[in-house]
Amino acid sequence: DAGVIQSPRHEVTEMGQEVTLRCKPISGHDYLFWYRQTMMRGLELLIYFNNNVPIDDSGMPEDRFSAKMPNASFSTLKIQPSEPRDSAVYFCASSLMGNTEAFFGQGTRLTVV
Amino acid sequence: SQQGEEDPQALSIQEGENATMNCSYKTSINNLQWYRQNSGRGLVHLILIRSNEREKHSGRLRVTLDTSKKSSSLLITASRAADTASYFCATGRGYSTLTFGKGTMLLVSP
Repeated sequence: DAGVIQSPRHEVTEMGQEVTLRCKPISGHDYLFWYRQTMMRGLELLIYFNNNVPIDDSGMPEDRFSAKMPNASFSTLKIQPSEPRDSAVYFCASSLMGNTEAFFGQGTRLTVV
Repeated sequence: SQQGEEDPQALSIQEGENATMNCSYKTSINNLQWYRQNSGRGLVHLILIRSNEREKHSGRLRVTLDTSKKSSSLLITASRAADTASYFCATGRGYSTLTFGKGTMLLVSP
């Protein structure tokens, strides 16, 4: 398996634009997580899915953020409209069970100008 | 909120020395895990220790867990320049998610 695949690796967008981040988890993993990493706040859990169903989205900062998992092999994190404070590295991770070894993608570095 | 807190925030040592990082947490856990992150990359799982275990080894890594003190330590023996990275502890609570600390930045100089 190629591991967790995220795209794009880098995204630069203007404030107010819509941004969509994509993730392909490892096949067979039932859990998918979206994290955001910044220097100030560290690694924050935004939302996680179990068997494609969103379980806990309490970490999603605002209504501008939304995530979907239409099938077991694909998830998106959307920010609309984007703001400069959304600039961060966004990681997707997957695991067999929720609290066991998590496999991370390479991340998407988002810059909103 | 952050469950695990690593200490120190930064550590600088010479190759061949041992590096010790600590993690404290606040609530009961099922397991505790350590991850490494190289600059600009995703996190990589290093080792998992369950709440009923006290010590675990993996190669040059040694992890201890003291549930009475709600703390864990990661020891890297005979460090190498390639060990330069940030190290995170993550606590598993319940059966759902991991909560990460802010990490310890380790610099190993040749």
